[in-house]
Amino acid sequence: DIQMTQSPSSLSASVGDRVTITCRASQSISTYLNWYQQKTGKAPKLLIYAASSLQSGVPSRFSGRGSGTDFTLTISSLQPEDFATYYCLQSYTTPWTFGQGTKVEIK
Amino acid sequence: EVQLLESGGGLVQPGGSLRLSCVVSGFTFSNYGMSWVRQAPGRGLEWVSGITGSGGSTYFPSSVKGRFTISRDNSKNTLYLQMNSLRVEDTAVYFCAKHQDYDPPFDYWGQGSLVTVSS
Repeated sequence: DIQMTQSPSSLSASVGDRVTITCRASQSISTYLNWYQQKTGKAPKLLIYAASSLQSGVPSRFSGRGSGTDFTLTISSLQPEDFATYYCLQSYTTPWTFGQGTKVEIK
Repeated sequence: EVQLLESGGGLVQPGGSLRLSCVVSGFTFSNYGMSWVRQAPGRGLEWVSGITGSGGSTYFPSSVKGRFTISRDNSKNTLYLQMNSLRVEDTAVYFCAKHQDYDPPFDYWGQGSLVTVSS
């Protein structure tokens, strides 16, 4: 199985900060990497697919980069509604696997 | 508007069975793969089963293979998850999720259905 490792596990940031979350795959997954945002008690929301494509309706402050094994999700200017947990998902091969999550908290 | 609505969750004893349903609307159901993803209390996300649009192929991780079955009725726009030999560690909120195309990512999700396995 492909292991997905996110870092950090949590971070504290202020409104307006630039935030970067990293996801590393245990083997190459090309660009089959997706990012989700989940708020407490809600279903996950797709933000980025295919490593860098912005899902329709998602604000442009979210961006993704990477290929192979190393990927990043960047929020260019953190907004109050962005405080949530973020997960990466590899869709290169089954079993499709998620990272363990990164909780973004208010500083 | 795409909508997914799960039902069938509840309390079941270890070793028992439960069937979840997910009724969808707002898209041509048979054209898309579907999956179930679960989240144990306070934990992360885990994909637990997937099925192609026709229903001809199904996929499972080793954690549930042989115990869970996924199926779909395209005439009823409904996805199912049959869970047998349930264990305490299967306790979770179970989400149904639509694939963006044949494969993930999952672009639309239901609200989730809580399954509690406890004696």
